[in-house]
Amino acid sequence: NAGVMQNPRHLVRRRGQEARLRCSPMKGHSHVYWYRQLPEEGLKFMVYLQKENIIDESGMPKERFSAEFPKEGPSILRIQQVVRGDSAAYFCASSPPLPGELFFGEGSRLTVL
Amino acid sequence: DQQVKQNSPSLSVQEGRISILNCDYTNSMFDYFLWYKKYPAEGPTFLISISSIKDKNEDGRFTVFLNKSAKHLSLHIVPSQPGDSAVYFCAAGASNRDDKIIFGKGTRLHILP
Repeated sequence: NAGVMQNPRHLVRRRGQEARLRCSPMKGHSHVYWYRQLPEEGLKFMVYLQKENIIDESGMPKERFSAEFPKEGPSILRIQQVVRGDSAAYFCASSPPLPGELFFGEGSRLTVL
Repeated sequence: DQQVKQNSPSLSVQEGRISILNCDYTNSMFDYFLWYKKYPAEGPTFLISISSIKDKNEDGRFTVFLNKSAKHLSLHIVPSQPGDSAVYFCAAGASNRDDKIIFGKGTRLHILP
């Protein structure tokens, strides 16, 4: 029974390139969250999605960042034209339909050169 | 606007003694609270939770206390063990399913030999 799967675990990009981070939730989980952890900071909420629906994206930067959770396939966090300040660990979590515990993936570490 | 605050960035406790991690929240709509533990280069893992209808929840060495009037909760670990050295995140959510779960910045716990 696989947990939340994130890939890639590590991603290196040059400034101006695009980064795509993928997250497959646990089986039976219909809700996906993305959080960002910057060095020396906590987990900052970015976006909360259901299948084919963005519930809350109040934590997403207005430009360059987008997220989706299609009917089929993983959730994708996309960062266009990356800058050095985007370097961080990006964590995905999933939860079942009822409110409660979040189950986290191992994270994707983005380094922008 | 930080809705979940962990005011101590770090805490050192002697092995065998009690570790007390504190968390304050501002949003009165929060009605369930969670504690997560995170080791370096790993995703956060769930420790214990409490809903607002209770003021205490215990699971082995871990006990969470909730003081709704003070909007304060604490995690007690007793006795503290070396493997407890990690970053601990407090999180809060509202059982309205459209609400996201908000995390504090974390407290780094060091268990001293």
